[in-house]
Amino acid sequence: EAGVAQSPRYKIIEKRQSVAFWCNPISGHATLYWYQQILGQGPKLLIQFQNNGVVDDSQLPKDRFSAERLKGVDSTLKIQPAKLEDSAVYLCASSFPKGPMVPNTEAFFGQGTRLTVV
Amino acid sequence: GESVGLHLPTLSVQEGDNSIINCAYSNSASDYFIWYKQESGKGPQFIIDIRSNMDKRQGQRVTVLLNKTVKHLSLQIAATQPGDSAVYFCAERKRAAGNKLTFGGGTRVLVKP
Repeated sequence: EAGVAQSPRYKIIEKRQSVAFWCNPISGHATLYWYQQILGQGPKLLIQFQNNGVVDDSQLPKDRFSAERLKGVDSTLKIQPAKLEDSAVYLCASSFPKGPMVPNTEAFFGQGTRLTVV
Repeated sequence: GESVGLHLPTLSVQEGDNSIINCAYSNSASDYFIWYKQESGKGPQFIIDIRSNMDKRQGQRVTVLLNKTVKHLSLQIAATQPGDSAVYFCAERKRAAGNKLTFGGGTRVLVKP
């Protein structure tokens, strides 16, 4: 079974530029998460989708970050404009809900995109 | 379970010894508590989880203990091997919040040969 695919693996941009990350979750996984992981810290949830609907985006800096999952499969995360403090690894994860009253199965993570803003 | 920033707590353990990694959590409403392992350059990998109504769960070479009285979670690794060197994170999952998965602070484990 293929895992969560993310691209690109690395990206270096100047501050105030724009950048986009792409995620292809495991086939059939309805839940998709985007996390930001700053060096030395645990992953911080930015946004969570259930199919193509947003479940939680309370920690997404909406003035500069946006994400979409138009067909409930692939997802993109965009930063516009980037700031120095956005330098981090952006992780995508997916999981499969067994049912409305049953917790999700474990979340599977991609390798992440390492963003450096200079 | 807040992060300590750039200075991750580090646990050095001799190969073959047992490791114990600790985590404090703040939210009692979580349904599951989970341990993830993250190797350099990779995404977190699921190790084991425990339902909030359980005290102990065992897997292959790993045991998770949950003490709800003091809101403490621990991961025990038996006979630690060089491949166990990684950063370990505890996480919480809340079904009522749409299965939101929230990570706590990490601990770096270094296995000495």
